[in-house]
Amino acid sequence: GEDVEQSLFLSVREGDSSVINCTYTDSSSTYLYWYKQEPGAGLQLLTYIFSNMDMKQDQRLTVLLNKKDKHLSLRIADTQTGDSAIYFCADLGRDTGRRALTFGSGTRLQVQP
Amino acid sequence: DTEVTQTPKHLVMGMTNKKSLKCEQHMGHRAMYWYKQKAKKPPELMFVYSYEKLSINESVPSRFSPECPNSSLLNLHLHALQPEDSALYLCASSQDGRARGTDTQYFGPGTRLTVL
Repeated sequence: GEDVEQSLFLSVREGDSSVINCTYTDSSSTYLYWYKQEPGAGLQLLTYIFSNMDMKQDQRLTVLLNKKDKHLSLRIADTQTGDSAIYFCADLGRDTGRRALTFGSGTRLQVQP
Repeated sequence: DTEVTQTPKHLVMGMTNKKSLKCEQHMGHRAMYWYKQKAKKPPELMFVYSYEKLSINESVPSRFSPECPNSSLLNLHLHALQPEDSALYLCASSQDGRARGTDTQYFGPGTRLTVL
């Protein structure tokens, strides 16, 4: 089945850029998502990218997709303490039939003042 | 508006109790989802309803019983749970659940369930 992997922890200083990485195995992936989860809360959709794109920018967020290597990254510019949370990448999978998200293990981002 | 609401926020129940979790969305979405999330883990899919019909059951034990009374509401009925069922239960909705193209899922805040 599909597999999505992320590094578990990232620590940055306030004002620096953060880069969270994700790898996936499903070669038929169509859409890839980034969600943010603060302690005790639900998942907040940050952004998504279609598999035929290689970059998407949305304010402080930049998503890069290398489809050949099945590598996805989320860059947060000018990281703030409010960005401290767990970030999940998720793969929607193929375009027909069973369409369910496969989540990575999540990366805990710690922002130091 | 991309809001999914869930009630209650917290629930404590004994192993012999029967309780229900509720989820509601008013985005006109036709697919709704239940996920279970244990501490420090990603969400795990439990059930998917598409057009008010159960389309995916991830081999969930029968002590969890989903119900979709209409396209805006999703319930999860709980009976004879075990302490290991304690977790955050997340509801999500998406536009369709079957169609091509992006089918972005929007999540509710979750219900924190503790089984004693």
